Amino acid sequence: GESVGLHLPTLSVQEGDNSIINCAYSNSASDYFIWYKQESGKGPQFIIDIRSNMDKRQGQRVTVLLNKTVKHLSLQIAATQPGDSAVYFCAVTTDSWGKFQFGAGTQVVVTP
Amino acid sequence: KAGVTQTPRYLIKTRGQQVTLSCSPISGHRSVSWYQQTPGQGLQFLFEYFSETQRNKGNFPGRFSGRQFSNSRSEMNVSTLELGDSALYLCASSKGTVGGEAFFGQGTRLTVV
Repeated sequence: GESVGLHLPTLSVQEGDNSIINCAYSNSASDYFIWYKQESGKGPQFIIDIRSNMDKRQGQRVTVLLNKTVKHLSLQIAATQPGDSAVYFCAVTTDSWGKFQFGAGTQVVVTP
Repeated sequence: KAGVTQTPRYLIKTRGQQVTLSCSPISGHRSVSWYQQTPGQGLQFLFEYFSETQRNKGNFPGRFSGRQFSNSRSEMNVSTLELGDSALYLCASSKGTVGGEAFFGQGTRLTVV
């Protein structure tokens, strides 16, 4: 079956620095990927997505990179702010309605 | 545009009871997926409904069931509650196309005592 993992459970980053959160997936048939941010007491918030026919996608202060060769996904946050402190999840699907496989999550802690 | 609404936000139930949770998707979205989130297992897929039909199902026992109404609102039911069912239950709303953006509600925090 498919497994999704995150490389670091906790990422501590200084305010203003760039953050990089990584995610590995195992199923090469995975074709759609989403990054979510979850703050305490809230549901996951959609950040950015990417489809398997792309390598890179940029949003506001965020960039997602997809390397299908090594089955690796990353989220880059530019100029990290205190409001970016949260748990970040990657979600992966293989052409399957509504069924995403989620990573364990990375806790991002932004320090002043 | 209203987001995904889940009710109630918090529930406390006793072992052996049953519970029904509700999810109203974003207007125009026809797909609702349900997930269970626990500290130990993370986010796990329960099932997905589209146009009142279950299209996909995760690996949960039959005590977990759901349905969707003609207005796309969905309910999930858990019967014969166990302590291990304590979790945050999240629903996600999407247009229902494969690989479509999914937006989550705030969740229902269920505590089984």
